[in-house]
Amino acid sequence: AQTVTQSQPEMSVQEAETVTLSCTYDTSESDYYLFWYKQPPSRQMILVIRQEAYKQQNATENRFSVNFQKAAKSFSLKISDSQLGDAAMYFCATRGGSNYKLTFGKGTLLTVNP
Amino acid sequence: NAGVTQTPKFQVLKTGQSMTLQCAQDMNHNSMYWYRQDPGMGLRLIYYSASEGTTDKGEVPNGYNVSRLNKREFSLRLESAAPSQTSVYFCASSEGLAGGQETQYFGPGTRLLVL
Repeated sequence: AQTVTQSQPEMSVQEAETVTLSCTYDTSESDYYLFWYKQPPSRQMILVIRQEAYKQQNATENRFSVNFQKAAKSFSLKISDSQLGDAAMYFCATRGGSNYKLTFGKGTLLTVNP
Repeated sequence: NAGVTQTPKFQVLKTGQSMTLQCAQDMNHNSMYWYRQDPGMGLRLIYYSASEGTTDKGEVPNGYNVSRLNKREFSLRLESAAPSQTSVYFCASSEGLAGGQETQYFGPGTRLLVL
């Protein structure tokens, strides 16, 4: 079984500043993967970044990076130099290596203030 | 490439009516999925198709049926719609070759209102 918890229903950040979105998870899988998806007002789900649990190095993708703490089962997303276009709902998700099911958290609504 | 497309974008149904949500992908992916998204919640898996010719139940399959018509298309059918099925429905696809490490790519969603 897999669960994902996002404890921050809403966050706000000033344009050009840095914000960190929190995510904790639980899984019975020994091999699993973690994802952050962005959902703008258009409702399209867009992959932001992903992390393989067996990799110790934190994933980065341009202004987006993660802080993956495997022992603590924590997977936070850091957005640097925030832009107005980053405003969206952000979902953390996990998927076991042996199955096809993505389990999502409830999301964090990020507002970017000019 | 269009990626994953869904039709319709929005639909209003009366309780008891039936309808089919259509999904197609042009990425030659093997696996396809249907999710629903309710207010204040993340997406929940309804059904998935690991490969052409196979379908399996997800977390919330009751009240739905699916058909994997061919490799490109995966439809979701509501035989007798209920207000509890008011939701936004997302279709997704992935390569389907390596299980969990794959990235799923999502369509734009279908907003369904059941009165």
